[in-house]
Amino acid sequence: GAVVSQHPSWVICKSGTSVKIECRSLDFQATTMFWYRQFPKQSLMLMATSNEGSKATYEQGVEKDKFLINHASLTLSTLTVTSAHPEDSSFYICSGSGRRGGEQYFGPGTRLTVT
Amino acid sequence: DQQVKQNSPSLSVQEGRISILNCDYTNSMFDYFLWYKKYPAEGPTFLISISSIKDKNEDGRFTVFLNKSAKHLSLHIVPSQPGDSAVYFCAASAYQGGSEKLVFGKGTKLTVNP
Repeated sequence: GAVVSQHPSWVICKSGTSVKIECRSLDFQATTMFWYRQFPKQSLMLMATSNEGSKATYEQGVEKDKFLINHASLTLSTLTVTSAHPEDSSFYICSGSGRRGGEQYFGPGTRLTVT
Repeated sequence: DQQVKQNSPSLSVQEGRISILNCDYTNSMFDYFLWYKKYPAEGPTFLISISSIKDKNEDGRFTVFLNKSAKHLSLHIVPSQPGDSAVYFCAASAYQGGSEKLVFGKGTKLTVNP
């Protein structure tokens, strides 16, 4: 099956700093990549959708200036949490899709803790 | 407004029996439906999907049924195994704004007892 990796798997940072999370599709070209956020015992909430080479589309309520998304190639997307605050602490998951049909392949997730 | 609902937060079954996980949706624009399995602190793993033009899709022990008129789908696992214990998310897909989006339910925690 298709493999998506994320790096780092967990990160602790101080309030006010920025953190970059990488998402890579290892064995397929992800024309579209998605970033989700999951709170404990909650569903995955879509934050933004990005197509390679174009600007990301953010969901309502997600601050685009705070969560910077770059999808520079068909195998790499990055999420940068700028000026992180404790309320940004969460589990961030990316996924990639290479074709229409609904199958998204998910990365293992990144646990962000902001102190 | 929750577009995809999984009304049972948990389900417990005996090994060897059938597990039935249910999901309801409200948006008629959804055209694919998927089930994902998730362990704590890991990303979801795709299990099985169904197109809105079908009413059944089977893959080994997993079968998904879709009732479009009732806006309801279900995942059947037969026979259930202890290794199936995980949180199962139902997701619905629609093509919006030039890209495809998945909307997830809140998940059902399945426990299969030996």
